[in-house]
Amino acid sequence: AQRVTQPEKLLSVFKGAPVELKCNYSYSGSPELFWYVQYSRQRLQLLLRHISRESIKGFTADLNKGETSFHLKKPFAQEEDSAMYYCALSPGTGRRALTFGSGTRLQVQP
Amino acid sequence: DTEVTQTPKHLVMGMTNKKSLKCEQHMGHRAMYWYKQKAKKPPELMFVYSYEKLSINESVPSRFSPECPNSSLLNLHLHALQPEDSALYLCASSHVAGEAFFGQGTRLTVV
Repeated sequence: AQRVTQPEKLLSVFKGAPVELKCNYSYSGSPELFWYVQYSRQRLQLLLRHISRESIKGFTADLNKGETSFHLKKPFAQEEDSAMYYCALSPGTGRRALTFGSGTRLQVQP
Repeated sequence: DTEVTQTPKHLVMGMTNKKSLKCEQHMGHRAMYWYKQKAKKPPELMFVYSYEKLSINESVPSRFSPECPNSSLLNLHLHALQPEDSALYLCASSHVAGEAFFGQGTRLTVV
């Protein structure tokens, strides 16, 4: 069975500080990993997927298969980054049957 | 059109009622999904349709009955629900190996 763990329910930082949202996973095969974000009163939307290796809104995430981690990082947090962030896993079969972590609420204070 | 549209936005139903949730997308996605999200919890997968056929049922009680009448529409028929079924029901769609797009959800209250 697959599992996604986000150990922090809430992460509060000041504007300009670095941010790291932790995500660990367990899955016996080769999963695909994603970060989804939900801003206040908005729908859940994709932020990053490990396959694309992009930087979106200054966020990056690297898949570490040895540590089974997919931590989300940003060097300088902005107030508009405040949102709920979910790490999610999809079996490597193509279909986006996602298993979500419990989520981390990021609060960026001025 | 890059949106997944869900109707209604809010629904209150009694335990003896029959109601349906609707989801529509026009992005040509051939995979569609229902998720359930309880307050302060992450979304949990309920059903997956792939090319209009049910491919995953995550042991969902039979009082929830999904239907995919065509490649753009996904329904969730509700019957004899319990108060603990109250939640936000999210629909999503994707190309089979692409990004999943989520709707705004239907907030369901069972009284």
